Amino acid sequence: EVQVVESGGGLVQPGGSLRLSCAGSGVTFINHSMHWVRQAPGKGLVWVSRIGRATSTLAESVKGRFTISRDSAKNTLYLQMSSLRVEDTAVYYCVRDTAYAFEIWGQGTVVTVSS
Amino acid sequence: QSALTQPPSASGSPGQSVTISCSGTSSDVGGYNYVSWYQQHPDKTPKVIISEVNKRPSGVPDRFSGSKSGNTASLTVSGLQAEDEADYYCSSYAGNNNWVFGGGTKLTVL
Repeated sequence: EVQVVESGGGLVQPGGSLRLSCAGSGVTFINHSMHWVRQAPGKGLVWVSRIGRATSTLAESVKGRFTISRDSAKNTLYLQMSSLRVEDTAVYYCVRDTAYAFEIWGQGTVVTVSS
Repeated sequence: QSALTQPPSASGSPGQSVTISCSGTSSDVGGYNYVSWYQQHPDKTPKVIISEVNKRPSGVPDRFSGSKSGNTASLTVSGLQAEDEADYYCSSYAGNNNWVFGGGTKLTVL
């Protein structure tokens, strides 16, 4: 069974940090770009970050605050989030890329930034 | 990076066809054949239904089709069915390893 499972979400105060993880089961990440996409409550999808074999990019809204990384040996993706803001509150999805499309989605992990 | 522009809502009766537009610029939609479309039912994970402008992944009904003209992409749902009622999002590669989504369209089957 193909599974992409995110973890690490939770409630954090503004200015705090969280590290999200995403593990693949029955699906390999190694030859694919991987992304984080988020969705604020009642809002649309927003692309956050992408990592390939050797390069990574971040949306302007999270540059300087978020870092994406991967451990190919563990088939795992990470998103280190710091200086969190209320507007970062969202469900964060880990997604495998195929042909520049978001092919395989995890169930998401909820991040709530609130005092 | 500005979001792609989609109409907030669309509707049609069962059996009818409906088309949802997705407007961008020459830096995203118009510049690459990497437009994709996603269907999201309430409280569910998004699902890709069109990739590379007009390619349907395995298992997606051929009632769903995609096209592009200039800086605007379109998703057409033919033979509307009740289960097609959902939110639909377009996305495009925007160069330099950046991506952008549209704001989403809520499709109602009357």
